[in-house]
Amino acid sequence: NAGVTQTPKFRVLKTGQSMTLLCAQDMNHEYMYWYRQDPGMGLRLIHYSVGEGTTAKGEVPDGYNVSRLKKQNFLLGLESAAPSQTSVYFCASSYEAVLPYEQYFGPGTRLTVT
Amino acid sequence: SQKIEQNSEALNIQEGKTATLTCNYTNYSPAYLQWYRQDPGRGPVFLLLIRENEKEKRKERLKVTFDTTLKQSLFHITASQPADSATYLCALDGRGSYIPTFGRGTSLIVHP
Repeated sequence: NAGVTQTPKFRVLKTGQSMTLLCAQDMNHEYMYWYRQDPGMGLRLIHYSVGEGTTAKGEVPDGYNVSRLKKQNFLLGLESAAPSQTSVYFCASSYEAVLPYEQYFGPGTRLTVT
Repeated sequence: SQKIEQNSEALNIQEGKTATLTCNYTNYSPAYLQWYRQDPGRGPVFLLLIRENEKEKRKERLKVTFDTTLKQSLFHITASQPADSATYLCALDGRGSYIPTFGRGTSLIVHP
Protein backbone atom coordinates (compact mmCIF):
# COMPACT_ATOMS: atom_id res chain seq x y z
CA ASN A 1 0.00 0.00 0.00
CA ALA A 2 1.25 3.46 -0.90
CA GLY A 3 -0.76 5.10 1.91
CA VAL A 4 -1.36 8.81 1.25
CA THR A 5 0.37 10.36 -1.73
CA GLN A 6 0.49 13.97 -2.81
CA THR A 7 1.22 15.54 -6.19
CA PRO A 8 3.29 17.63 -6.81
CA LYS A 9 6.01 17.68 -4.17
CA PHE A 10 7.16 21.20 -4.98
CA ARG A 11 5.65 24.07 -6.93
CA VAL A 12 6.43 27.71 -7.54
CA LEU A 13 3.59 29.96 -8.67
CA LYS A 14 3.35 33.59 -9.58
CA THR A 15 0.74 35.73 -7.86
CA GLY A 16 -2.61 35.27 -9.55
CA GLN A 17 -1.88 31.87 -11.05
CA SER A 18 -4.01 28.86 -10.26
CA MET A 19 -3.15 25.28 -9.45
CA THR A 20 -4.58 22.07 -8.09
CA LEU A 21 -2.95 19.83 -5.51
CA LEU A 22 -3.89 16.18 -5.70
CA CYS A 23 -4.14 13.83 -2.75
CA ALA A 24 -4.74 10.12 -3.16
CA GLN A 25 -5.15 7.37 -0.55
CA ASP A 26 -5.42 3.63 -1.04
CA MET A 27 -6.65 2.70 2.45
CA ASN A 28 -10.37 3.07 1.70
CA HIS A 29 -10.63 5.86 4.28
CA GLU A 30 -13.84 7.81 4.50
CA TYR A 31 -12.38 11.03 5.85
CA MET A 32 -9.81 13.22 4.15
CA TYR A 33 -8.28 16.55 5.15
CA TRP A 34 -6.14 19.36 3.83
CA TYR A 35 -3.82 21.23 6.21
CA ARG A 36 -1.27 23.94 5.79
CA GLN A 37 1.79 24.20 7.99
CA ASP A 38 3.63 27.45 8.48
CA PRO A 39 6.61 28.15 10.77
CA GLY A 40 5.37 28.99 14.25
CA MET A 41 1.75 28.34 13.30
CA GLY A 42 1.48 24.60 13.42
CA LEU A 43 -0.96 22.60 11.33
CA ARG A 44 -4.14 24.43 10.38
CA LEU A 45 -7.13 22.73 8.79
CA ILE A 46 -8.19 24.19 5.45
CA HIS A 47 -11.02 21.90 4.29
CA TYR A 48 -12.07 18.36 4.99
CA SER A 49 -14.39 15.70 3.63
CA VAL A 50 -16.36 13.02 5.44
CA GLY A 51 -17.12 11.03 2.33
CA GLU A 52 -17.28 10.99 -1.44
CA GLY A 53 -19.10 14.05 -2.76
CA THR A 54 -18.95 15.96 0.54
CA THR A 55 -16.69 18.80 1.65
CA ALA A 56 -16.63 21.20 4.60
CA LYS A 57 -14.65 24.25 5.66
CA GLY A 58 -11.97 24.10 8.26
CA GLU A 59 -10.18 26.82 10.18
CA VAL A 60 -8.59 28.68 7.22
CA PRO A 61 -10.66 28.00 4.06
CA ASP A 62 -10.45 31.39 2.34
CA GLY A 63 -8.73 31.34 -1.04
CA TYR A 64 -9.05 27.56 -1.42
CA ASN A 65 -11.59 25.21 -2.92
CA VAL A 66 -11.78 21.44 -2.72
CA SER A 67 -13.51 18.54 -4.41
CA ARG A 68 -13.98 14.86 -3.54
CA LEU A 69 -15.43 13.27 -6.65
CA LYS A 70 -13.91 9.88 -5.85
CA LYS A 71 -13.48 8.36 -2.43
CA GLN A 72 -9.75 7.91 -2.86
CA ASN A 73 -8.97 11.42 -4.12
CA PHE A 74 -9.19 14.85 -2.51
CA LEU A 75 -8.23 17.89 -4.58
CA LEU A 76 -7.21 21.28 -3.25
CA GLY A 77 -7.46 24.22 -5.63
CA LEU A 78 -6.02 27.69 -5.51
CA GLU A 79 -7.87 29.89 -7.99
CA SER A 80 -5.69 32.99 -7.69
CA ALA A 81 -2.55 32.36 -5.69
CA ALA A 82 -1.29 34.96 -3.23
CA PRO A 83 2.08 35.18 -1.44
CA SER A 84 0.23 34.49 1.84
CA GLN A 85 -0.48 31.01 0.51
CA THR A 86 3.20 30.14 0.49
CA SER A 87 3.27 27.15 2.81
CA VAL A 88 3.68 23.41 3.11
CA TYR A 89 0.42 21.62 2.41
CA PHE A 90 -0.38 18.25 3.94
CA CYS A 91 -3.17 15.92 3.05
CA ALA A 92 -4.38 13.36 5.58
CA SER A 93 -6.97 10.64 5.76
CA SER A 94 -8.60 8.61 8.50
CA TYR A 95 -11.13 5.85 9.04
CA GLU A 96 -14.72 6.75 9.76
CA ALA A 97 -14.88 8.28 13.22
CA VAL A 98 -13.51 5.33 15.15
CA LEU A 99 -10.90 5.55 17.87
CA PRO A 100 -8.03 6.20 17.87
CA TYR A 101 -9.00 8.71 15.13
CA GLU A 102 -5.51 8.26 13.77
CA GLN A 103 -4.74 10.49 10.83
CA TYR A 104 -2.43 9.26 8.09
CA PHE A 105 -0.50 12.06 6.48
CA GLY A 106 1.03 12.43 3.05
CA PRO A 107 4.58 13.68 2.48
CA GLY A 108 3.52 17.27 1.84
CA THR A 109 3.65 19.78 -1.03
CA ARG A 110 5.91 22.79 -0.66
CA LEU A 111 4.30 25.73 -2.45
CA THR A 112 5.96 29.08 -3.01
CA VAL A 113 3.99 32.00 -4.41
CA THR A 114 6.11 34.89 -5.69
CA SER B 1 -10.39 31.39 23.13
CA GLN B 2 -9.20 27.81 22.80
CA LYS B 3 -5.48 27.38 22.96
CA ILE B 4 -2.98 24.51 22.78
CA GLU B 5 0.50 25.31 24.02
CA GLN B 6 3.68 23.39 23.40
CA ASN B 7 7.11 24.70 24.25
CA SER B 8 8.47 26.46 21.19
CA GLU B 9 12.04 26.09 22.42
CA ALA B 10 13.82 22.92 21.39
CA LEU B 11 14.50 20.35 24.07
CA ASN B 12 18.10 19.17 24.06
CA ILE B 13 18.95 16.05 26.02
CA GLN B 14 21.69 13.47 26.21
CA GLU B 15 21.26 9.99 24.80
CA GLY B 16 19.95 7.55 27.37
CA LYS B 17 18.05 10.16 29.37
CA THR B 18 14.28 10.51 29.55
CA ALA B 19 12.79 13.24 27.40
CA THR B 20 9.64 14.91 28.70
CA LEU B 21 7.53 17.13 26.48
CA THR B 22 4.56 19.15 27.64
CA CYS B 23 1.21 19.99 26.07
CA ASN B 24 -1.02 22.46 27.88
CA TYR B 25 -4.46 23.55 26.79
CA THR B 26 -7.04 26.13 27.79
CA ASN B 27 -10.76 26.44 27.11
CA TYR B 28 -10.99 22.85 25.93
CA SER B 29 -12.64 19.84 27.48
CA PRO B 30 -11.08 17.21 25.25
CA ALA B 31 -12.36 13.68 25.11
CA TYR B 32 -8.96 12.50 23.90
CA LEU B 33 -5.47 13.73 23.15
CA GLN B 34 -3.08 12.44 20.52
CA TRP B 35 0.67 12.67 20.03
CA TYR B 36 2.33 12.68 16.61
CA ARG B 37 5.95 12.67 15.49
CA GLN B 38 7.12 14.76 12.55
CA ASP B 39 10.52 14.47 10.89
CA PRO B 40 11.90 17.30 8.73
CA GLY B 41 10.33 17.32 5.28
CA ARG B 42 7.76 14.66 6.16
CA GLY B 43 4.18 14.47 7.31
CA PRO B 44 3.28 13.75 10.95
CA VAL B 45 3.03 10.15 12.08
CA PHE B 46 0.58 9.06 14.77
CA LEU B 47 2.11 7.69 17.98
CA LEU B 48 -0.44 7.43 20.77
CA LEU B 49 -3.94 8.42 21.82
CA ILE B 50 -5.05 8.82 25.42
CA ARG B 51 -8.65 9.28 26.48
CA GLU B 52 -9.91 11.69 29.12
CA ASN B 53 -10.64 8.87 31.55
CA GLU B 54 -7.14 7.40 31.20
CA LYS B 55 -4.36 8.71 33.39
CA GLU B 56 -1.50 7.04 31.55
CA LYS B 57 -0.77 5.16 28.34
CA ARG B 58 2.38 3.31 27.36
CA LYS B 59 3.83 2.02 24.12
CA GLU B 60 7.32 0.58 24.18
CA ARG B 61 9.59 3.47 25.33
CA LEU B 62 6.79 6.02 25.13
CA LYS B 63 4.55 7.08 27.98
CA VAL B 64 1.78 9.67 27.89
CA THR B 65 -0.08 11.11 30.85
CA PHE B 66 -3.25 13.15 30.75
CA ASP B 67 -4.31 15.37 33.65
CA THR B 68 -7.65 16.99 32.91
CA THR B 69 -7.50 18.98 36.15
CA LEU B 70 -4.18 20.58 35.24
CA LYS B 71 -5.23 20.63 31.56
CA GLN B 72 -1.93 19.08 30.63
CA SER B 73 -0.43 16.08 28.90
CA LEU B 74 3.15 14.92 29.35
CA PHE B 75 4.91 12.84 26.73
CA HIS B 76 7.92 10.84 27.89
CA ILE B 77 10.52 8.97 25.87
CA THR B 78 12.68 6.79 28.08
CA ALA B 79 16.22 5.72 27.16
CA SER B 80 16.20 8.32 24.40
CA GLN B 81 18.22 7.80 21.24
CA PRO B 82 19.47 10.21 18.54
CA ALA B 83 16.89 8.59 16.23
CA ASP B 84 14.18 10.03 18.50
CA SER B 85 15.16 13.53 17.38
CA ALA B 86 12.10 15.04 15.71
CA THR B 87 9.26 17.45 16.33
CA TYR B 88 6.44 16.12 18.48
CA LEU B 89 2.92 17.45 18.07
CA CYS B 90 0.02 17.10 20.42
CA ALA B 91 -3.51 17.20 19.09
CA LEU B 92 -6.81 17.22 20.87
CA ASP B 93 -10.44 17.29 19.96
CA GLY B 94 -12.92 20.08 20.49
CA ARG B 95 -15.45 17.87 22.23
CA GLY B 96 -17.87 16.23 19.87
CA SER B 97 -15.49 16.49 16.93
CA TYR B 98 -13.44 13.65 15.54
CA ILE B 99 -11.10 16.13 13.90
CA PRO B 100 -8.15 17.00 16.15
CA THR B 101 -6.69 20.45 16.57
CA PHE B 102 -2.89 20.45 16.54
CA GLY B 103 -0.40 22.27 18.71
CA ARG B 104 2.65 23.87 17.14
CA GLY B 105 4.97 21.11 18.25
CA THR B 106 8.19 20.91 20.22
CA SER B 107 11.50 19.95 18.69
CA LEU B 108 13.47 17.25 20.51
CA ILE B 109 17.19 16.88 19.89
CA VAL B 110 18.93 13.88 21.41
CA HIS B 111 22.69 14.21 21.50
CA PRO B 112 24.93 11.12 21.30
